[in-house]
Amino acid sequence: EVQLVESGGSLVQPGGSLKLSCVASGFTFSNYWMDWVRQTPGKSLEWIGEINTDGSKTNCAPSIKDRFTISRDNAKNTLYLQMSNVKSDDTAIYYCDILLAYWGQGTLVTVSS
Amino acid sequence: DVVMTQTPPSLSVAIGQSVSISCKSSQSLVYSDGKTYLHWLLQSPGRSPKRLIYQVSNLGSGVPDRFSGTGSQKDFTLKISRVEAEDLGVYYCAQTTHFPYTFGAGTKLELK
Repeated sequence: EVQLVESGGSLVQPGGSLKLSCVASGFTFSNYWMDWVRQTPGKSLEWIGEINTDGSKTNCAPSIKDRFTISRDNAKNTLYLQMSNVKSDDTAIYYCDILLAYWGQGTLVTVSS
Repeated sequence: DVVMTQTPPSLSVAIGQSVSISCKSSQSLVYSDGKTYLHWLLQSPGRSPKRLIYQVSNLGSGVPDRFSGTGSQKDFTLKISRVEAEDLGVYYCAQTTHFPYTFGAGTKLELK
C-alpha cells in the first residue's frame, strides 16, 4: 500500500525557516517524480513544485521560487521542502503527492509572530 | 498561469441523482506529446485530496465507474451518475500540462 507521511510543520515567525519531510513507503520511491502542493485554510490547492527521480531537476511555482527548495534522498525514501523567508501567506497545509494520484495526510505550517 | 474555472461553485443533490461539473481552462491543455493532462480530484471532508480521473477520462485505481470525464482542449466535464453519500465533498479539476500546474477553485457537492 502506498503511504506518504509528511512531518515538520509548526508555528514559525515571518522571515523564519522550516524544513518539511515526506517519508514514502509501499512503492519504489526512486522511480517517481514527486510533488509538493499546499492548501490554505478554506481555500483551493496551490502547486508548489516537483522533483525528478534522481533529484537533479526541479520545477517550482514562481510564487515560491528562490524561497523554497525541493530535494529528495532516495536512500531514505524521503522528500523534503526547505522553506525560507516565510510569509503569512505561506500559512497552509502542505501535502506531498505522486502525480496527484497519491497524497499524504498533510502537515500544517502556520506563519505568525 | 493557466486559469481553471469550475462551475458551479456548489451543488446540492439527492442520493441517486446524477450531476455534472464543468471545468474550463484559459489555454488549451493539449501537451506537445498529444496528451491532455486534465485531472479530477475529490477531497472528502477532513481528508486529503484523492485523484478520481486522470488525462480527461481515465479512471483512477479503485474509482467506481459512476464517475466519468469528458472534454478536450479547454472544456471539460466530470459526471457522477447515481450520487452516493461517499461522493460528497469538494471536487477540483487540475492541469499538469503547463507550468505552473494549477487547480480550479473547487465545486462543493452537498446533500439536498
